Amino acid sequence: EVQLVESGGGLVQPGRSLRLSCAASGFTFDDYAMHWVRQAPGKGLEWVSGISWNSGSIGYADSVKGRFTISRDNAKNSLYLQMNSLRAEDTALYYCAKGHDPNNWNDYFDYWGQGTLVTVSS
Amino acid sequence: EIVLTQSPATLSLSPGERATLSCRASQSVSSYLAWYQQKPGQAPRLLIYDASNRATGIPARFSGSGSGTDFTLTISSLEPEDFAVYYCQQRSNWPPDFGPGTKVDIK
Repeated sequence: EVQLVESGGGLVQPGRSLRLSCAASGFTFDDYAMHWVRQAPGKGLEWVSGISWNSGSIGYADSVKGRFTISRDNAKNSLYLQMNSLRAEDTALYYCAKGHDPNNWNDYFDYWGQGTLVTVSS
Repeated sequence: EIVLTQSPATLSLSPGERATLSCRASQSVSSYLAWYQQKPGQAPRLLIYDASNRATGIPARFSGSGSGTDFTLTISSLEPEDFAVYYCQQRSNWPPDFGPGTKVDIK
Protein backbone atom coordinates (compact mmCIF):
# COMPACT_ATOMS: atom_id res chain seq x y z
CA GLU A 1 0.00 0.00 0.00
CA VAL A 2 1.38 3.39 -1.00
CA GLN A 3 1.78 5.75 1.93
CA LEU A 4 2.98 9.33 2.01
CA VAL A 5 3.36 10.97 5.40
CA GLU A 6 4.20 14.65 5.66
CA SER A 7 5.69 16.35 8.69
CA GLY A 8 7.35 19.59 9.70
CA GLY A 9 4.50 22.04 9.47
CA GLY A 10 3.63 24.54 12.15
CA LEU A 11 3.26 28.19 13.08
CA VAL A 12 6.11 30.40 11.91
CA GLN A 13 6.68 34.14 11.78
CA PRO A 14 6.94 35.98 8.47
CA GLY A 15 10.48 35.93 7.12
CA ARG A 16 11.43 32.76 8.97
CA SER A 17 12.13 29.28 7.59
CA LEU A 18 10.59 25.84 7.82
CA ARG A 19 11.53 22.44 6.40
CA LEU A 20 8.85 19.95 5.39
CA SER A 21 9.47 16.23 5.02
CA CYS A 22 7.54 13.45 3.33
CA ALA A 23 8.21 9.80 4.15
CA ALA A 24 7.21 7.43 1.36
CA SER A 25 6.54 3.70 1.44
CA GLY A 26 4.77 1.00 -0.54
CA PHE A 27 6.37 1.74 -3.91
CA THR A 28 9.80 2.03 -5.52
CA PHE A 29 10.49 5.62 -4.51
CA ASP A 30 13.40 6.23 -6.84
CA ASP A 31 11.33 5.30 -9.90
CA TYR A 32 9.02 8.31 -9.65
CA ALA A 33 9.00 12.08 -9.70
CA MET A 34 7.60 13.65 -6.54
CA HIS A 35 5.79 16.91 -5.98
CA TRP A 36 4.52 19.37 -3.40
CA VAL A 37 1.03 20.79 -3.85
CA ARG A 38 -0.53 23.26 -1.44
CA GLN A 39 -4.02 24.41 -0.57
CA ALA A 40 -4.71 27.64 1.25
CA PRO A 41 -7.63 27.53 3.69
CA GLY A 42 -10.90 27.36 1.74
CA LYS A 43 -9.10 27.67 -1.60
CA GLY A 44 -8.12 25.45 -4.52
CA LEU A 45 -5.03 23.40 -5.29
CA GLU A 46 -1.74 25.03 -6.25
CA TRP A 47 1.24 23.05 -7.52
CA VAL A 48 4.36 24.26 -5.70
CA SER A 49 7.36 22.23 -6.81
CA GLY A 50 8.42 18.96 -8.42
CA ILE A 51 11.57 16.86 -8.64
CA SER A 52 12.43 14.03 -11.01
CA TRP A 53 13.45 10.58 -9.80
CA ASN A 54 17.18 11.38 -9.88
CA SER A 55 16.89 15.08 -8.93
CA GLY A 56 18.06 15.94 -12.43
CA SER A 57 14.97 18.01 -13.16
CA ILE A 58 13.46 20.42 -10.66
CA GLY A 59 10.76 23.04 -11.03
CA TYR A 60 8.98 25.65 -8.96
CA ALA A 61 5.88 27.75 -9.16
CA ASP A 62 6.66 31.42 -9.77
CA SER A 63 5.12 32.24 -6.38
CA VAL A 64 7.86 30.34 -4.52
CA LYS A 65 10.83 30.49 -6.89
CA GLY A 66 13.97 31.69 -5.15
CA ARG A 67 12.51 31.05 -1.68
CA PHE A 68 11.71 27.31 -1.65
CA THR A 69 14.04 24.40 -2.41
CA ILE A 70 12.87 20.86 -3.11
CA SER A 71 15.12 17.86 -2.59
CA ARG A 72 14.91 14.12 -2.12
CA ASP A 73 16.93 11.33 -0.54
CA ASN A 74 16.24 8.10 -2.40
CA ALA A 75 18.19 6.05 0.16
CA LYS A 76 15.74 7.26 2.83
CA ASN A 77 12.61 7.24 0.63
CA SER A 78 12.09 10.85 1.59
CA LEU A 79 11.10 14.14 -0.03
CA TYR A 80 11.80 17.57 1.42
CA LEU A 81 10.79 21.18 0.97
CA GLN A 82 12.98 23.89 2.47
CA MET A 83 10.90 27.05 2.76
CA ASN A 84 12.71 30.33 3.42
CA SER A 85 11.52 33.93 3.66
CA LEU A 86 8.01 32.75 4.43
CA ARG A 87 5.08 35.07 3.80
CA ALA A 88 1.52 35.17 5.05
CA GLU A 89 0.35 34.02 1.62
CA ASP A 90 2.33 30.78 2.04
CA THR A 91 -0.16 29.71 4.72
CA ALA A 92 -1.62 26.46 3.45
CA LEU A 93 -1.91 22.72 3.84
CA TYR A 94 1.10 21.25 2.03
CA TYR A 95 0.62 17.90 0.34
CA CYS A 96 3.29 15.52 -0.84
CA ALA A 97 2.19 13.80 -4.07
CA LYS A 98 3.59 10.96 -6.15
CA GLY A 99 3.95 11.21 -9.90
CA HIS A 100 1.77 8.84 -11.88
CA ASP A 101 4.09 7.68 -14.66
CA PRO A 102 7.77 6.78 -14.12
CA ASN A 103 8.52 8.09 -17.62
CA ASN A 104 7.23 11.61 -16.91
CA TRP A 105 8.19 14.25 -14.45
CA ASN A 106 5.61 16.79 -15.59
CA ASP A 107 2.81 14.51 -14.52
CA TYR A 108 -0.42 13.71 -12.76
CA PHE A 109 -0.50 12.87 -9.06
CA ASP A 110 -1.84 9.44 -8.20
CA TYR A 111 -1.16 9.29 -4.45
CA TRP A 112 -1.27 12.06 -1.90
CA GLY A 113 -0.39 12.37 1.74
CA GLN A 114 -2.79 13.89 4.26
CA GLY A 115 -0.86 17.13 4.32
CA THR A 116 0.97 19.22 6.87
CA LEU A 117 -0.32 22.67 7.82
CA VAL A 118 1.96 25.68 7.56
CA THR A 119 0.74 28.89 9.16
CA VAL A 120 2.75 32.07 8.63
CA SER A 121 1.74 34.72 11.11
CA SER A 122 3.25 37.10 13.62
CA GLU B 1 1.37 29.30 -18.95
CA ILE B 2 -1.87 27.43 -19.60
CA VAL B 3 -4.92 28.62 -17.68
CA LEU B 4 -7.69 26.16 -16.88
CA THR B 5 -11.24 27.33 -16.25
CA GLN B 6 -13.98 25.12 -14.82
CA SER B 7 -17.72 25.49 -15.07
CA PRO B 8 -20.03 25.72 -13.38
CA ALA B 9 -18.49 26.84 -10.12
CA THR B 10 -21.24 24.99 -8.25
CA LEU B 11 -23.54 22.25 -9.46
CA SER B 12 -26.57 21.42 -7.33
CA LEU B 13 -28.01 17.99 -8.06
CA SER B 14 -29.86 15.13 -6.38
CA PRO B 15 -28.57 11.58 -5.86
CA GLY B 16 -29.20 9.50 -8.97
CA GLU B 17 -28.90 12.46 -11.33
CA ARG B 18 -26.24 12.84 -14.00
CA ALA B 19 -23.46 15.36 -13.41
CA THR B 20 -21.60 17.05 -16.26
CA LEU B 21 -18.56 19.14 -15.36
CA SER B 22 -16.53 21.20 -17.81
CA CYS B 23 -12.85 22.15 -17.95
CA ARG B 24 -11.51 24.49 -20.62
CA ALA B 25 -7.83 25.20 -21.35
CA SER B 26 -6.49 28.53 -22.65
CA GLN B 27 -4.55 26.60 -25.30
CA SER B 28 -4.44 23.00 -26.45
CA VAL B 29 -3.28 20.43 -23.91
CA SER B 30 -3.87 17.52 -26.31
CA SER B 31 -5.25 14.74 -24.08
CA TYR B 32 -2.97 15.54 -21.13
CA LEU B 33 -5.69 16.32 -18.64
CA ALA B 34 -6.68 14.75 -15.35
CA TRP B 35 -9.62 15.03 -12.96
CA TYR B 36 -9.48 14.82 -9.17
CA GLN B 37 -12.11 14.54 -6.47
CA GLN B 38 -11.66 16.16 -3.07
CA LYS B 39 -13.97 15.66 -0.11
CA PRO B 40 -13.87 17.91 2.97
CA GLY B 41 -10.90 17.15 5.19
CA GLN B 42 -9.41 14.71 2.70
CA ALA B 43 -6.60 14.77 0.18
CA PRO B 44 -7.49 14.88 -3.51
CA ARG B 45 -7.99 11.57 -5.32
CA LEU B 46 -7.05 10.98 -8.94
CA LEU B 47 -10.14 9.93 -10.91
CA ILE B 48 -9.26 10.28 -14.60
CA TYR B 49 -5.96 10.75 -16.43
CA ASP B 50 -5.12 11.41 -20.06
CA ALA B 51 -8.65 12.80 -20.47
CA SER B 52 -10.49 9.48 -20.46
CA ASN B 53 -8.61 6.80 -18.51
CA ARG B 54 -10.02 5.85 -15.13
CA ALA B 55 -7.44 5.59 -12.37
CA THR B 56 -7.09 2.43 -10.32
CA GLY B 57 -10.20 1.60 -8.32
CA ILE B 58 -12.40 4.36 -9.74
CA PRO B 59 -16.00 3.28 -10.36
CA ALA B 60 -17.32 3.07 -13.92
CA ARG B 61 -19.90 5.82 -13.27
CA PHE B 62 -17.03 8.30 -13.65
CA SER B 63 -16.02 9.01 -17.23
CA GLY B 64 -13.94 11.64 -18.96
CA SER B 65 -13.92 12.92 -22.51
CA GLY B 66 -12.46 15.66 -24.66
CA SER B 67 -9.20 16.77 -26.24
CA GLY B 68 -7.50 19.98 -27.19
CA THR B 69 -9.11 22.71 -25.10
CA ASP B 70 -12.48 21.31 -24.00
CA PHE B 71 -12.97 18.48 -21.54
CA THR B 72 -15.86 16.94 -19.65
CA LEU B 73 -16.15 14.83 -16.53
CA THR B 74 -19.41 12.91 -16.34
CA ILE B 75 -20.81 11.12 -13.32
CA SER B 76 -23.58 8.98 -14.75
CA SER B 77 -25.65 8.61 -11.58
CA LEU B 78 -24.63 10.49 -8.45
CA GLU B 79 -24.05 8.45 -5.32
CA PRO B 80 -24.14 10.16 -1.89
CA GLU B 81 -20.34 9.88 -1.64
CA ASP B 82 -19.84 11.77 -4.92
CA PHE B 83 -20.78 15.16 -3.49
CA ALA B 84 -17.39 16.87 -3.41
CA VAL B 85 -15.16 19.35 -5.23
CA TYR B 86 -13.68 18.33 -8.57
CA TYR B 87 -10.51 19.76 -10.06
CA CYS B 88 -8.96 19.39 -13.49
CA GLN B 89 -5.19 19.49 -14.03
CA GLN B 90 -3.04 19.60 -17.16
CA ARG B 91 0.41 18.16 -17.71
CA SER B 92 0.87 19.29 -21.30
CA ASN B 93 2.91 22.34 -20.39
CA TRP B 94 4.99 23.39 -17.42
CA PRO B 95 3.83 24.04 -14.71
CA PRO B 96 1.34 21.18 -14.15
CA ASP B 97 -1.37 23.39 -12.67
CA PHE B 98 -5.01 22.99 -11.64
CA GLY B 99 -8.32 24.54 -12.48
CA PRO B 100 -10.28 26.41 -9.78
CA GLY B 101 -12.67 23.54 -9.12
CA THR B 102 -16.37 22.72 -9.39
CA LYS B 103 -18.33 21.96 -6.24
CA VAL B 104 -21.05 19.35 -6.64
CA ASP B 105 -23.50 19.73 -3.80
CA ILE B 106 -26.82 18.21 -2.82
CA LYS B 107 -29.90 19.95 -4.15
